[in-house]
Amino acid sequence: GNSVTQMEGPVTLSEEAFLTINCTYTATGYPSLFWYVQYPGEGLQLLLKATKADDKGSNKGFEATYRKETTSFHLEKGSVQVSDSAVYFCALSDYSDKLIFGTGTRLQVFP
Amino acid sequence: ETGVTQSPTHLIKTRGQQVTLRCSSQSGHNTVSWYQQALGQGPQFIFQYYREEENGRGNFPPRFSGLQFPNYSSELNVNALELDDSALYLCASGGASYEQFFGPGTRLTVL
Repeated sequence: GNSVTQMEGPVTLSEEAFLTINCTYTATGYPSLFWYVQYPGEGLQLLLKATKADDKGSNKGFEATYRKETTSFHLEKGSVQVSDSAVYFCALSDYSDKLIFGTGTRLQVFP
Repeated sequence: ETGVTQSPTHLIKTRGQQVTLRCSSQSGHNTVSWYQQALGQGPQFIFQYYREEENGRGNFPPRFSGLQFPNYSSELNVNALELDDSALYLCASGGASYEQFFGPGTRLTVL
């Protein structure tokens, strides 16, 4: 079945460091791919998405490119801030709108 | 445009009891999905409703049931609560695209 695998956290960075959080997926067909962010005590917020191969999603300085050849959707940001500290979830959606999530990666950014 | 709201915020129940969680979908959205997020895990799909009919179900037993009302509000009912049902329950509404908008969640604790 469809699944998502994320790198385990926590990822600990200093402010202004470069961020990469790896995400790979297994799916039949051509799923849509998403990154969601969850701040402490809150629900999920959509960060960015890509709906077809080679699409790049971007938002708030974060980017991820849908790579069909490597079945990956890695999240990157050039310069992280303390306010980016949160848990990040990679997810895919097939044609049913059901979202399949990875286990999440906690990011901790220190000043 | 209003967002997705959920009630209550927190709830404590004992084993064997029944619970009802409520969700008010985002205006204009005709699907609502429910997810269970155990501590430290990614959300798991419970089921989805479209125009008041169940439209897909994850790997959850029948004691998890739901309703969607004509005004697109929704309920999640869980009977015969077990300790492992302790989790954050998230409601998400979606429109024409595959994008899902999440509410803040209800934290259920089963003692």
